[in-house]
Amino acid sequence: SQQGEEDPQALSIQEGENATMNCSYKTSINNLQWYRQNSGRGLVHLILIRSNEREKHSGRLRVTLDTSKKSSSLLITASRAADTASYFCATGSQGGSEKLVFGKGMKLTVNP
Amino acid sequence: GAVVSQHPSWVICKSGTSVKIECRSLDFQATTMFWYRQFPKQSLMLMATSNEGSKATYEQGVEKDKFLINHASLTLSTLTVTSAHPEDSSFYICSANSGYNSPLHFGNGTRLTVT
Repeated sequence: SQQGEEDPQALSIQEGENATMNCSYKTSINNLQWYRQNSGRGLVHLILIRSNEREKHSGRLRVTLDTSKKSSSLLITASRAADTASYFCATGSQGGSEKLVFGKGMKLTVNP
Repeated sequence: GAVVSQHPSWVICKSGTSVKIECRSLDFQATTMFWYRQFPKQSLMLMATSNEGSKATYEQGVEKDKFLINHASLTLSTLTVTSAHPEDSSFYICSANSGYNSPLHFGNGTRLTVT
């Protein structure tokens, strides 16, 4: 069953602007991960944030995690046309399972 | 970095035939691999967890006799869609975990079209 729920489900911005995507989940987690998917391709891991972390950076990506609100956000700064893709959050649950549950995804379009 | 190779990238088959999809971890050992199915513009639906040397664990609603999974080695898992029907047409993606609390590494997916 799906747990993560991305918001918004679609976002269209201009190159250079920042893009923020939100993810909410329902159960306790070990970690939360963000992935991107180009059309017709597999998923590429972007960033993993553990449940005891609140913020993480990787290049132009910034992820926050609020376990009290069961939510996370992904910020892409200074977006580029190449950032156009679908973005998914996925949660790894407590209890030792390696299984990830993916959200519905969000389609980001960056217009040149 | 960890690489997962999935083959074939696309396949067209006739209704009633079986199709095998391979998923290989190229530079790491994967005791666990995951098989997902994705419909157009939708999220990934976990089908089963493939465990090396033991039976796969299927998610609720996934027919294990329809989707046969074999994980014979630490670097290879296969998914066989048996007696395929047009409704089995979909995008199938495998992934492997290189360690606990680590990211998943995905193959590039297989587009299956059953005519």
